[in-house]
Parts: sequence; structure tokens; C-alpha cells
Amino acid sequence: QQQVKQSPQSLIVQKGGISIINCAYENTAFDYFPWYQQFPGKGPALLIAIRPDVSEKKEGRFTISFNKSAKQFSLHIMDSQPGDSATYFCAASKGGGSEKLVFGKGTKLTVNP
Amino acid sequence: GAVVSQHPSWVICKSGTSVKIECRSLDFQATTMFWYRQFPKQSLMLMATSNEGSKATYEQGVEKDKFLINHASLTLSTLTVTSAHPEDSSFYICSASDRGLPYGYTFGSGTRLTVV
Repeated sequence: QQQVKQSPQSLIVQKGGISIINCAYENTAFDYFPWYQQFPGKGPALLIAIRPDVSEKKEGRFTISFNKSAKQFSLHIMDSQPGDSATYFCAASKGGGSEKLVFGKGTKLTVNP
Repeated sequence: GAVVSQHPSWVICKSGTSVKIECRSLDFQATTMFWYRQFPKQSLMLMATSNEGSKATYEQGVEKDKFLINHASLTLSTLTVTSAHPEDSSFYICSASDRGLPYGYTFGSGTRLTVV
């Protein structure tokens, strides 16, 4: 019940294309769903996050879509750029910042020029 | 924004020695600190959670006597890898949160530990 399943494991997109990464969870107590971007040798950096009271959140080229009934959420990267090439992790937690984040296994995104 | 400073960024040590990794919250109170390890091409694996002034809670399978966590102040937490062995070589990452800022997790930049 603590798992967050992420797919695909790797993704190759052409510059200007749309990158889509999906995550699914089981624990209905989760109420915070962030996406992190990680470059090699660096710590994860928060990209965008959503709470279950909204179905979509957009920040620049990044959009989270959230489907509470299906227990799924996804990250869409519009107009993908080579600089977006990184590993992306979805995560989930419950109860606020004192609760641990449960991470997906990650998606390695490569954006070809 | 919230910043967590993690040092050192990389360290090489001899087998059998101990290594200390520090994480400092620079502009907020880190009421909770999380320590992760990450192997190449894998996800972050939570090792332990610590609240300021309390003993850390370790995840199943993590040796608490080997990975000593101290969270004595609201701005500093340390992870000490004792009697390090080559299999402890990994990328260690801390994350801090402030109960006054719910749902905010700030990550350090990570420490690459190599045990030779």
C-alpha cells in the first residue's frame, strides 16, 4: 500500500515534443503528490506538486494531471527541451512535512535536439 | 526559498573508518530530517527519519548502529557512517521539512561516498 508505481522507466522525446510520465498509488491517505527532477550527481529538486482537491496544476511548461478516483497522476512536459533531460521521480506523502515521501522508481528522460 | 546545505559533496575514505555528513537548513527550522541513500540508476531509499531532539526512526533493514543520525538542533542534522565498507559506497541525500511549512520538503545536494 505504500508503493508508488511509475512508468515508463525511460523515455526519449524529440525537442519540442510532449513528455508524459505516469504514476499510480494505492494508499488513499496520501494527500500530497510532488514531482522531482534530478540531474546526475545532484539532489532532487521540486518541479511541481499537487494536492487531491484539484485535478490539474500548471506551472510554465509543466503540468500535473490528477485522477483521484483512478489513484493516478501524471506529469506532462510541454515543448520538451534538451535541458529537460534528467531523471524524474514522482512521490506521495500523507499528513504534511513530518511524514515520509514514498518515491516512484524514476523515469530517465532524454530529449533529443 | 528554503535551502538545505549538505557537506561534503563527495568523500573518499578507507575501509573501516567513519565518515560524517552534515545537513544544515539555512533559512528555516528543520523540525524533521529525512536521510536517503541512492544507488546508481535507482530511486531514493529512505534510511531514517529524525525529529529535532528525538531519536531517529530507522527503516526496516537499516542498521542504526552503523548509520548514526544526530538531530540535536533545528538547523543541523548529521549522518555518520561508522566502520565504512565498500558496500556502503553510495549517494547520500538529506531532506528537511518545517512543520510550520506543511508539505515542504527541501533536499540537500547529496554526498557521494566512496569507500576504498
